[in-house]
Amino acid sequence: NAGVTQTPKFRVLKTGQSMTLLCAQDMNHEYMYWYRQDPGMGLRLIHYSVGEGTTAKGEVPDGYNVSRLKKQNFLLGLESAAPSQTSVYFCASSGTRVYEQYFGPGTRLTVT
Amino acid sequence: DQQVKQNSPSLSVQEGRISILNCDYTNSMFDYFLWYKKYPAEGPTFLISISSIKDKNEDGRFTVFLNKSAKHLSLHIVPSQPGDSAVYFCAASDSGTYKYIFGTGTRLKVLA
Repeated sequence: NAGVTQTPKFRVLKTGQSMTLLCAQDMNHEYMYWYRQDPGMGLRLIHYSVGEGTTAKGEVPDGYNVSRLKKQNFLLGLESAAPSQTSVYFCASSGTRVYEQYFGPGTRLTVT
Repeated sequence: DQQVKQNSPSLSVQEGRISILNCDYTNSMFDYFLWYKKYPAEGPTFLISISSIKDKNEDGRFTVFLNKSAKHLSLHIVPSQPGDSAVYFCAASDSGTYKYIFGTGTRLKVLA
């Protein structure tokens, strides 16, 4: 039982490049979330999903897109990376106890 | 405008003593509150929660207190142990949504 996994763990992008971060969970959770963590800012919600095929905007959605084609996967896309998107990205999922989120280990993204 | 605030960025406590971490919120619609613990290079892990219908919730060494009139919650750790050294985040939610607003975190150091 791996819980929540994130791929990749580290990535360096040049401004304007695109990439997709993959989050996978094996707990059959309905709810999935993408956060970013910046120094002094705590965790901020980018997008979330309340079930397969659904997505919704969080606090800071601009510059990101998401898809939840399969229940176990939640993808976060950056179409044209900017230095302001340099951050640590965390994926999380939750089940019937919606408030109890299980987090992945994070992806450290640097945009130069 | 930060809706969830943790005004102490860091706290040091002697092993065996009580650790008190504080959190303030501004949105009166918040009715569910959480504490997460985060070690370096790992994702946050859920610690304890409290609903607005309660003013106290206890789980082993961890107790969360909620003062709705003051819009304030606190996490008490008794007795503190060196393994408790981590960053602690509080988070709040309006249970009508799935969005969780996180504070900026407090780094706790328990000295042996």
